[in-house]
Amino acid sequence: QLQLQESGPGLVKPSETLSLSCSVSGGSINSTTYYWAWIRQPPGKGLEWIGTIHSSVYFSGSTYYNPSLKSRATISADMYKNQFSLTLTSVTAADTAVYYCARRRADGVLFMGFDPWGPGTQVSVSS
Amino acid sequence: DIVMTQSPLSLPVTPGEPASLSCRSSQSLLHTTGYNFLDWYLQKPGQSPQLLISLGSTRASGVPDRFSGSGSGTDFTLKISRVEAEDVGVYYCMQALETPWTFGQGTKVEIQ
Repeated sequence: QLQLQESGPGLVKPSETLSLSCSVSGGSINSTTYYWAWIRQPPGKGLEWIGTIHSSVYFSGSTYYNPSLKSRATISADMYKNQFSLTLTSVTAADTAVYYCARRRADGVLFMGFDPWGPGTQVSVSS
Repeated sequence: DIVMTQSPLSLPVTPGEPASLSCRSSQSLLHTTGYNFLDWYLQKPGQSPQLLISLGSTRASGVPDRFSGSGSGTDFTLKISRVEAEDVGVYYCMQALETPWTFGQGTKVEIQ
């Protein structure tokens, strides 16, 4: 059974860079079928899609991002470690959130939902 | 961006009774394949979200058949035929037709 686990610092200072990793077990991220995503949830608020990577060697790590992050986000994959990562630059208090990683299956042009999700990791931005 | 609007924002429910949640999109989610690119998720208290429905009406593996999704275009509904106590939490719809993929603000379901 596929499992995802987020990891990273719980506290980041304003204007610095946030780096998170998502370790995947029970399956390979090197797949033409699956996309791997980061989603966040500010305290007491709803969900925001950050971005997605399609990390198959056939797709050279194609990435898609939410423009609301104004190019501050970068998602990369390490197939040897079987994990993917999120880097978010110039963070502010507005980036305080629980960050989730998740998998999405593509069946041809049909995208199935995000399943499964990691348990999430809390990130606070504060000096 | 496609805006997703859910209603109601809060829904008191009685165990054993049906419940209906609504989700509307600012533009049609109907793909050329004939499928609607609309997901439903449930976030139980203290947990990460879990997938209930993909493509408007396809139940995810392990999801009880008391959950059903319907609708097309811009209007969608998630129905729970008989609510159970374990169904409490916040339900989100999400459009996957085009990036940025966007979520509704959520409907909080609680036992009354």
